[in-house]
Amino acid sequence: DTGVSQDPRHKITKRGQNVTFRCDPISEHNRLYWYRQTLGQGPEFLTYFQNEAQLEKSRLLSDRFSAERPKGSFSTLEIQRTEQGDSAMYLCASSYGNYNEQFFGPGTRLTVL
Amino acid sequence: QKEVEQDPGPLSVPEGAIVSLNCTYSNSAFQYFMWYRQYSRKGPELLMYTYSSGNKEDGRFTAQVDKSSKYISLFIRDSQPSDSATYLCAMVQGGSEKLVFGKGTKLTVNP
Repeated sequence: DTGVSQDPRHKITKRGQNVTFRCDPISEHNRLYWYRQTLGQGPEFLTYFQNEAQLEKSRLLSDRFSAERPKGSFSTLEIQRTEQGDSAMYLCASSYGNYNEQFFGPGTRLTVL
Repeated sequence: QKEVEQDPGPLSVPEGAIVSLNCTYSNSAFQYFMWYRQYSRKGPELLMYTYSSGNKEDGRFTAQVDKSSKYISLFIRDSQPSDSATYLCAMVQGGSEKLVFGKGTKLTVNP
C-alpha cells in the first residue's frame, strides 16, 4: 500500500499524559499536513510542512501541541498534558508540487479519559 | 457565519437515485474546490478536484462550481449502496495550503 500511513490507529490515554502520533506520507510528497476532526464536524487544519520546514500553524495548535518533520519524510505530532477536549481523530495528509490535492491517511483516534 | 456551510443531513435515497450534495461559502478568495468521501472511522478519500467555475465529470460523479453564487455541488448518478458515506466539501484559497471543510453530509443509499 503506497498511501499515507498513520500510527497508532487508536490511542487511549489518561488526562495529563503525553502522546505522540506518527505519519508517513506518500513517497516523494513534499508537503505534509495535520488536521483534527471531531464527531460530526469536518477536519480542521492544524499545521503544514513543506519538506522539513513548518510553514503554517493554526491558532488551534496550542502550546501543548508540537509537530516535527525531521529530514522532510515522516512527521510526528505530540500532545503534552492531554485534556479531555483533545479527544478527536487526528488526520495526516500529503501532497506534491504545486497542487492542492491532499491525500489523507486513515487517522489516529485519540480518546482522553 | 462559518466560511463553508454544508447541510449535515442525513440524506437517505433508494439505489439508482441521483444524489445532489451542496455547499455554500462566504470567502470569495477560495479558488480550489474538492469533494471527499469518508466512510465511518476512516480517513477522507479525494473524489473530485476542481479549479474553475463549470462542471467536471468523472464516471458517476459530477462536480459543479458556481463562483458567482459561491455554491458548489456534487452529483452522484445511479447511486449504489457502496456510496453510503459522509461527503465532505473542501476549499482552499490560492497561495494557501489550508483546506477549509464543510461539516459533511451523511448519505445512505438503500438497496
